[in-house]
Order: sequence, then C-alpha cells, then structure tokens
Amino acid sequence: GAVVSQHPSRVICKSGTSVKIECRSLDFQATTMFWYRQFPKQSLMLMATSNEGSKATYEQGVEKDKFLINHASLTLSTLTVTSAHPEDSSFYICSARDPGTSGRGMWEQFFGPGTRLTVL
Amino acid sequence: QKEVEQNSGPLSVPEGAIASLNCTYSDRGSQSFFWYRQYSGKSPELIMSIYSNGDKEDGRFTAQLNKASQYVSLLIRDSQPSDSATYLCAVKASARQLTFGSGTQLTVLP
Repeated sequence: GAVVSQHPSRVICKSGTSVKIECRSLDFQATTMFWYRQFPKQSLMLMATSNEGSKATYEQGVEKDKFLINHASLTLSTLTVTSAHPEDSSFYICSARDPGTSGRGMWEQFFGPGTRLTVL
Repeated sequence: QKEVEQNSGPLSVPEGAIASLNCTYSDRGSQSFFWYRQYSGKSPELIMSIYSNGDKEDGRFTAQLNKASQYVSLLIRDSQPSDSATYLCAVKASARQLTFGSGTQLTVLP
C-alpha cells in the first residue's frame, strides 16, 4: 500500500509550548489528508480534514485556533498544537487518501505511524 | 444507532482457528468498505478493502460484503498470535470521509 510518513514519532513538551507535526505522502499525491486523535483504549476521533490549497474542515468540538492545520502541497500537511496543555496529550495520527490504488476511481486511505504527544 | 457497529469484544480464539469479525452499517448509500488492523500503541494498517457484494480473499484474510443486509465481515483463517490486535471496520458512505467502528479486540491464544 501507499506510504505515509509522520514526524516526529514522539514529542514531550512543557505546557504552553506549541508543537508541529508533519505528515507526508511519500509515493502519491494526496489532495486530502485527515488528522485523527486517539486516547488510550479508545477509538479514532477525526479532528479535521485537510484539503490542499484550502482551509481545513474541522469536526464539531475541535478548536480550529488551537489545532492549526496547513496543507501547503500535495504531499505535506502539518498540524500545530498551539499552547499545548496536559489534556492535549494523546496519539495524533494523520491519514492520506490515495485515489489511484484500486483502479476503479475508488480511493483507499492510509495512515501515518502516529505521533505520541506528552505535555508536562 | 451508530453509523458503523462492530461486534463487541474482546474476542479470543485458539491458534489455528478461524476468527470472525463482523460489522454493520446504517447508510445504504455506502460504497466502500475497509478493514484496518491496529496493534497496541501503533497506527491502523489497511488490510482489506471491498467494494462489491461477495467475498474477497487475500492470503489468510477473507472479507465478505452483503449490501442488502448492510454488513461486512472479516474472516481470518489459521489465526496466529501475531494476529492479536484491534480490528477496525471503516465505511465510506455519502460523506467524503471514512466512518470507523469502535473496533474489536482479537486475541489469538497460543
């Protein structure tokens, strides 16, 4: 399947700092990327949909000013957690849609390895 | 009713047995169906996609789709301890993003 990379894999920061997470599609162009958050033993929670060249679409309850998303190119989306607090500690996972994998106009969605954020 | 529901776990099967994972969905307009495997502490990994009614086989994995009954299942033959993970069912309905089930935790006992 298609490869999605994510960096960093793990970050520990002090409360009040900002953290930037990068998500890259390595072997395909992704016009749409997704950002998820997952707390321990819970299911994935979609935070926002990132569209190349336009503003991200945030899910209800997700603060757009706190979780800044930029999708500047077809292979890169970034999530910045601004003024992080301990309650933002979580596993953040990006995902990218590869439109050409099945050959029938259907797309498949692949996940990056995730970033574990710990805010002290 | 949840949009995508999976049979409650955890599910335990002995090594070598067939593990059966089920998923139902509510949107009849759903077009694409996926199974992801997520190991503890890791991100989901796509293992199967299915778009048409019937069975789709890939190695030890078989996905089954029945759009009339609105269910999709995943069979794992000759289960191995390395198959122990949480399996997520995902459905692409009329919305552009995938809707995930809450997952079924599978444990394969050696």
